[in-house]
Amino acid sequence: AQSVAQPEDQVNVAEGNPLTVKCTYSVSGNPYLFWYVQYPNRGLQFLLKYITGDNLVKGSYGFEAEFNKSQTSFHLKKPSALVSDSALYFCAVRGPYTGTASKLTFGTGTRLQVTL
Amino acid sequence: ETGVTQTPRHLVMGMTNKKSLKCEQHLGHNAMYWYKQSAKKPLELMFVYNFKEQTENNSVPSRFSPECPNSSHLFLHLHTLQPEDSALYLCASSQDVLAVYNEQFFGPGTRLTVL
Repeated sequence: AQSVAQPEDQVNVAEGNPLTVKCTYSVSGNPYLFWYVQYPNRGLQFLLKYITGDNLVKGSYGFEAEFNKSQTSFHLKKPSALVSDSALYFCAVRGPYTGTASKLTFGTGTRLQVTL
Repeated sequence: ETGVTQTPRHLVMGMTNKKSLKCEQHLGHNAMYWYKQSAKKPLELMFVYNFKEQTENNSVPSRFSPECPNSSHLFLHLHTLQPEDSALYLCASSQDVLAVYNEQFFGPGTRLTVL
């Protein structure tokens, strides 16, 4: 069975500092990895995904994520945090197509709080 | 209107009521999903439709009944719910269920409270 772990319920960072939101996964075969963000009273918004190729993936709003196969991780990063980045972040994984479609499995989410 | 829309945005219902949630996607996608989001828990996939056909029912109680009349519309009919069913219900769509590398696009959700 596939799974996602987001070990931190909350990450606090000062505006202008770099941020990292951690994600590790477990899946059979090559993973498809996604990051979503959820602002208050809103649905999930797609940020970026890893399918294959370059381990560093760039996405919306200056976010990027690094795929590390040996550590089965896909940490979300941003060089300089903004107060407006404060939101709930979800990592998700999907396994390869094996004749039937695999589910998109989400982590429990990490709340990012950016302060002035 | 673009993206994925959901109505109503908020719903309060008693345990004996019957109500329906509506989702519409304007992205030309063929797959639609219902998720339940509860506090401190991962998103729970409830139902999946691909080209109007249900492809997954994730052991959801029969008091939740989905309907997908076409690839653009998805409903969730609610009947005799329990207080523990109170949650944010999210609709999503994607190009195709089998295209596993495609991201899903989510609506804003319906905040459901069962009294």
